[in-house]
Amino acid sequence: ILNVEQSPQSLHVQEGDSTNFTCSFPSSNFYALHWYRWETAKSPEALFVMTLNGDEKKKGRISATLNTKEGYSYLYIKGSQPEDSATYLCAFRGGKLQFGAGTQVVVTP
Amino acid sequence: EPEVTQTPSHQVTQMGQEVILRCVPISNHLYFYWYRQILGQKVEFLVSFYNNEISEKSEIFDDQFSVERPDGSNFTLKIRSTKLEDSAMYFCASSEARAGNQPQHFGDGTRLSIL
Repeated sequence: ILNVEQSPQSLHVQEGDSTNFTCSFPSSNFYALHWYRWETAKSPEALFVMTLNGDEKKKGRISATLNTKEGYSYLYIKGSQPEDSATYLCAFRGGKLQFGAGTQVVVTP
Repeated sequence: EPEVTQTPSHQVTQMGQEVILRCVPISNHLYFYWYRQILGQKVEFLVSFYNNEISEKSEIFDDQFSVERPDGSNFTLKIRSTKLEDSAMYFCASSEARAGNQPQHFGDGTRLSIL
């Protein structure tokens, strides 16, 4: 993989349900994997910066895992709430920060 | 909480004109960045800046673009002789250090529309 790819592009979740989505990135020249949460009309907000293979980070109901050997990271949202609706961007730090296209999450009440 | 601020929020400019986008990074941050997002596309890295010089730039950042830190607080992106394809959302970001494990803090962006 040469680029940063995120899937799915968008997903709809019922309030209370849990969900997860994927970021794939180059498995060579790895420094870090960033996750950002981007609400409409606001600036991207840093969620996690992950550096070690096997890393798992958690912030409230949101958590992320990292596999640098195979080049993927999962982001999990447990018990989704309407305020979780946003685009979630991952970014691979080899040299410069290289962004994926994002996964747009819509949580419906 | 300290934040990155960008002005203006929206800039409309005639093709061929010069435009300057302004950013005030977080005060104790040392690394500064510009990104752009063309409508419907990914966020793209333009340039990083440290110690009053460019530390890295992408292939997008050609001679049309320049960055400057004219004083102790502002960080500017200048686009000379703008083209229609320069229309995009431009984001400024800053971080405490360049290390990969430092998050970048983004401003709200400037929407640049070239007519």
